[in-house]
Amino acid sequence: ETGVTQSPTHLIKTRGQQVTLRCSSQSGHNTVSWYQQALGQGPQFIFQYYREEENGRGNFPPRFSGLQFPNYSSELNVNALELDDSALYLCASSLVAGTGGERPYFGPGTRLLVL
Amino acid sequence: AQTVTQSQPEMSVQEAETVTLSCTYDTSESDYYLFWYKQPPSRQMILVIRQEAYKQQNATENRFSVNFQKAAKSFSLKISDSQLGDAAMYFCAYRSVTGGGNKLTFGTGTQLKVEL
Repeated sequence: ETGVTQSPTHLIKTRGQQVTLRCSSQSGHNTVSWYQQALGQGPQFIFQYYREEENGRGNFPPRFSGLQFPNYSSELNVNALELDDSALYLCASSLVAGTGGERPYFGPGTRLLVL
Repeated sequence: AQTVTQSQPEMSVQEAETVTLSCTYDTSESDYYLFWYKQPPSRQMILVIRQEAYKQQNATENRFSVNFQKAAKSFSLKISDSQLGDAAMYFCAYRSVTGGGNKLTFGTGTQLKVEL
């Protein structure tokens, strides 16, 4: 049990719709990262937020966007959903962004199905 | 860009036996972190063990240990006295020390089955 929570646990959307996924980080953590895990694959880094600003992004299009709030919780927004967006979305929080050995703590994920 | 390769899609082990999961990575950096994560059917990604590249000593955590070969860019996980609860997908992951924040680069995973 890591203290990182995500909502909802499951979600079904249709192609072209927009979706918002939410993550509450572990108490005291100020950095949140989001990952997309397609079926049978390893997680792929989407982006990271540190003190409410994006400070790292993977190879994902701009229709993937995010927010981090003053309480360090975070949202992942995906616009114009495509079938390939169907995946498990994982949120991970850690204490600081930078060069330390801080390990990310993962949430249980949100399973998104796009029809 | 760094890459992580796990060449064993599936492995099986008998309960109480030992199994080794392989991982290789590619990087031009000299300092970094390596992780093994376990993902059971519940989907929660659980940290198994962590290794700092500047440390020559292999990390150990109870029944879990690694064989870190920096020159060969190899990072294998050994599970001793395997238990039914060890059955899960195991991911090897790389994290840069400089820049990138907490970005992890994952391999494709190894599905571990534990048999009675």
